Amino acid sequence: AQSVSQHNHHVILSEAASLELGCNYSYGGTVNLFWYVQYPGQHLQLLLKYFSGDPLVKGIKGFEAEFIKSKFSFNLRKPSVQWSDTAEYFCAVREFTGGGNKLTFGTGTQLKVEL
Amino acid sequence: DAGITQSPRHKVTETGTPVTLRCHQTENHRYMYWYRQDPGHGLRLIHYSYGVKDTDKGEVSDGYSVSRSKTEDFLLTLESATSSQTSVYFCAISAGGPEQFFGPGTRLTVL
Repeated sequence: AQSVSQHNHHVILSEAASLELGCNYSYGGTVNLFWYVQYPGQHLQLLLKYFSGDPLVKGIKGFEAEFIKSKFSFNLRKPSVQWSDTAEYFCAVREFTGGGNKLTFGTGTQLKVEL
Repeated sequence: DAGITQSPRHKVTETGTPVTLRCHQTENHRYMYWYRQDPGHGLRLIHYSYGVKDTDKGEVSDGYSVSRSKTEDFLLTLESATSSQTSVYFCAISAGGPEQFFGPGTRLTVL
């Protein structure tokens, strides 16, 4: 079964600092990759996604992620965070196993941005 | 935002009582999912549906059942709630592609 690891559980940054959140997955075949964000008290929203093509994916609000197949990684980055980026971030992977359209989520990274 | 509603949004119940959570969509999407979200575990799939009356188990299905009698509604039932089922429950929908859209969540507390 697929597993997704997010190594940073809690991250605290000052405004304008750069952000990189790690995500590694276990499946070695074809995958679709996602980052979702959950602002306090809200539901999950899609931040960005990778299906194929250019491994550097740009999402909303200045976020980007890079797919490195050899490292089974899909790390999320933002050059300069804002206080409003305080949220929980989830990496998710869809594997093509024929077992339905299912995603496996990581355990999440809680980001706090301080003024 | 995708047209997904969940009801109730908050519920407190006692151990041993049955509980039913409802997910309603207006997008006519084929796939519907129930997840639970717990600290340190992220989101875990409980059950999913790939069409009316077609459902399958997810990663943490024990103690839960589901039903889908109409395209727009996907019900999650806890036959006899336990304290370990205290969680936030999210419904999600998908048109068949890999992208899923999430509802607002239901916070369930089992005392």
